[in-house]
Amino acid sequence: RKEVEQDPGPFNVPEGATVAFNCTYSNSASQSFFWYRQDCRKEPKLLMSVYSSGNEDGRFTAQLNRASQYISLLIRDSKLSDSATYLCVVNPNFNKFYFGSGTKLNVKP
Amino acid sequence: SAVISQKPSRDICQRGTSLTIQCQVDSQVTMMFWYRQQPGQSLTLIATANQGSEATYESGFVIDKFPISRPNLTFSTLTVSNMSPEDSSIYLCSALTTGGWGYTFGSGTRLTVV
Repeated sequence: RKEVEQDPGPFNVPEGATVAFNCTYSNSASQSFFWYRQDCRKEPKLLMSVYSSGNEDGRFTAQLNRASQYISLLIRDSKLSDSATYLCVVNPNFNKFYFGSGTKLNVKP
Repeated sequence: SAVISQKPSRDICQRGTSLTIQCQVDSQVTMMFWYRQQPGQSLTLIATANQGSEATYESGFVIDKFPISRPNLTFSTLTVSNMSPEDSSIYLCSALTTGGWGYTFGSGTRLTVV
């Protein structure tokens, strides 16, 4: 079983829609979780960390469900500029980070 | 967060040759890593670059093929040796940011082996 699994998508949504992605992880001891955004032909960039209590940054909300071992990312009021691949990252110990294969989002006008 | 300068940004190389990729960080970082990302795939960790000692390689990657140097806390190189077309990929260096929260990535090196 993979360390981190994501639905590859693509998720095709209209502007203004709300869209959510989930990511499951296999190591129950994992402590740190992140969402990264990767634009086509660009390097991944940190979007947000995921805290146990959940966290929100503008239109983006990240949540962690330890019991079911998944994290989620919710994007409200989608913009065309949100089109990208979203990578889930799990850190089971200090120097190991596992990346999901990414979920592709296409926001259409 | 740290800013990483990675070069070259792209190269086309003949099979059997070697290419060295450099990463320079604008601040001292404790951890640096090298990843490979093949088309349409996620990132695969090649190795952890250890300052002043041999790199720690992940399963499937060996020092003879991917020698890594890290002479100080701000610089690292990855060499792709004796290249074959299967080595065509994007290679990314990264550094663990202050406080250990997440990675910062270099802009990547797009390698094509012909």
